Amino acid sequence: EAQVTQNPRYLITVTGKKLTVTCSQNMNHEYMSWYRQDPGLGLRQIYYSMNVEVTDKGDVPEGYKVSRKEKRNFPLILESPSPNQTSLYFCASRRANYGYTFGSGTRLTVV
Amino acid sequence: GQQLNQSPQSMFIQEGEDVSMNCTSSSIFNTWLWYKQDPGEGPVLLIALYKAGELTSNGRLTAQFGITRKDSFLNISASIPSDVGIYFCAGPVYRDRLAFGKGNQVVVIP
Repeated sequence: EAQVTQNPRYLITVTGKKLTVTCSQNMNHEYMSWYRQDPGLGLRQIYYSMNVEVTDKGDVPEGYKVSRKEKRNFPLILESPSPNQTSLYFCASRRANYGYTFGSGTRLTVV
Repeated sequence: GQQLNQSPQSMFIQEGEDVSMNCTSSSIFNTWLWYKQDPGEGPVLLIALYKAGELTSNGRLTAQFGITRKDSFLNISASIPSDVGIYFCAGPVYRDRLAFGKGNQVVVIP
């Protein structure tokens, strides 16, 4: 089944403890992206990648890192999480000219 | 980042009714996308539009790419309970940066 898989689905962590949210897609898509969704603010793009080793900032990149060493994987790294990064995170992937396919989300709480 | 303006923000409709929503932007878009998000899930692409004036259907859903390229419309005909959810419009603003509207919560009353 064609899909975008994120792990974990739920994560509670403490301020300052580095974490990684993994994302993998099995559709051989060139483009991948990370979004965060917050009440009243909608979906905001954190980072995107147009191919292996090509990444760029979205609207809210501060406090996040990404890497794209392989086509199928696009992990999101929070080096020193803070409470304002508590959010619902979505990874997504697409081919050129097609809309994104989203993962099921990762609900992160930073205490 | 650039935001798209969706209206209305929420709608309560009777089962069987049609529902329309729109999305506007102050700048021109070359692509319009409509997504639906069910509770606890990621958004799912409903319809993609690539040309001004384009009218595309997907089952009971119909979407149009506005002639001015600054707006788009989504219509759901004969609504059913499973149409409940949040509907988002989206469009590319630069390279692969995608702007989303804040969403339209649709509630279908049986």
